[in-house]
Amino acid sequence: AQSVTQPDIHITVSEGASLELRCNYSYGATPYLFWYVQSPGQGLQLLLKYFSGDTLVQGIKGFEAEFKRTQSSFNLRKPSVHWSDAAEYFCAVGATGGSQGNLIFGKGTKLSVKP
Amino acid sequence: GAVVSQHPSWVICKSGTSVKIECRSLDFQATTMFWYRQFPKQSLMLMATSNEGSKATYEQGVEKDKFLINHASLTLSTLTVTSAHPEDSSFYICSARDRQSGSETDTQYFGPGTRLTVL
Repeated sequence: AQSVTQPDIHITVSEGASLELRCNYSYGATPYLFWYVQSPGQGLQLLLKYFSGDTLVQGIKGFEAEFKRTQSSFNLRKPSVHWSDAAEYFCAVGATGGSQGNLIFGKGTKLSVKP
Repeated sequence: GAVVSQHPSWVICKSGTSVKIECRSLDFQATTMFWYRQFPKQSLMLMATSNEGSKATYEQGVEKDKFLINHASLTLSTLTVTSAHPEDSSFYICSARDRQSGSETDTQYFGPGTRLTVL
């Protein structure tokens, strides 16, 4: 069965510092991977997605993620964090093969930004 | 870009009453919509997949008679929580997939969520 693991529940970084949020997945075939961001009391906004091709994916708000098949990882990175990046981040894998494309989410990583 | 709205954004109801939550795709047609539930500080859990014009597919453990889903048009799906109880209090989020995308792995666009509190 597909699963997503986000090992870090809560991360705090200083404004201007670099960021890396970890995501590992379990999937039997080529995965379809997503990163979403959720601000308090809000829905989810898509940051970026990987379906195929270049393993380094660029997203919105200066985020990028790299798909590493051998490590089953899809870590999210940003070179310089802004205070407005404080939010909850979810990694997700697309479940295919008759599941109509529903997403399986990790438990999320809460990002706090220090001034 | 693709926008999905939900109404209401929050609702408080008494135990035993029913609550309807609407999910609309505002600028695209969605043959498939998904309903998720999110408990505080937890991830999203898929409740059901809603296809326009047909019955919803419920995930294991989700009571279909309690969580009624109707997807009557390409832009609207509704979730009705019947005979709500305090344990149904949660954050309910819908998502919609653009009909023109075709692939079952295409992007889902999420609504802003509905906070349900049952007293």
